[in-house]
Amino acid sequence: AQKITQTQPGMFVQEKEAVTLDCTYDTSDPSYGLFWYKQPSSGEMIFLIYQGSYDQQNATEGRYSLNFQKARKSANLVISASQLGDSAMYFCAMREGRSGGSYIPTFGRGTSLIVHP
Amino acid sequence: DVKVTQSSRYLVKRTGEKVFLECVQDMDHENMFWYRQDPGLGLRLIYFSYDVKMKEKGDIPEGYSVSREKKERFSLILESASTNQTSMYLCASSFDRGLREQYFGPGTRLTVT
Repeated sequence: AQKITQTQPGMFVQEKEAVTLDCTYDTSDPSYGLFWYKQPSSGEMIFLIYQGSYDQQNATEGRYSLNFQKARKSANLVISASQLGDSAMYFCAMREGRSGGSYIPTFGRGTSLIVHP
Repeated sequence: DVKVTQSSRYLVKRTGEKVFLECVQDMDHENMFWYRQDPGLGLRLIYFSYDVKMKEKGDIPEGYSVSREKKERFSLILESASTNQTSMYLCASSFDRGLREQYFGPGTRLTVT
């Protein structure tokens, strides 16, 4: 079973509208963390936002917010006021603890977002 | 400015060759990672290291090995390259074991013929 599931291979949104990218996760580690990364066509991976499992409030970074629903194991990314430059692949990721004290990251398969003018 | 560099952007190798992919970070980060990225599969963790001379297997270590002799450098080694190792390889580093944020290199697109 996948630990990170992104069910939307592709999404389209009109410029200036908001868009939600879905992510569900599965872990038995109580102190996990969730991330979103952006990968434009140029290829570099850009960190967007982080949510810890114990964080009470949803994380926000500028136009990005993470809709964290712990009971549903859901960590959706919301992009407000989409811009043409938001067109990219978006990856949801999780870090979970491993025996020995290290953490291991796991990435989802990604969602391709296209913003139309 | 944070910097992770990889030795090559593009590499073409023949089946059976030994291949070295080098990654260097200048941020004094403890943790370093190697991923491969394939269309439709996302990023898959090959190996990671949280200290010099330490390494741990990720999800797909078969056919790969790693070396971390110095804190800033993490090398991925394909002992005998095969065509199914044709992929984009991404290196990343992070400051602490909590992995709150990873910094990625530009990637190496490896083609094995």
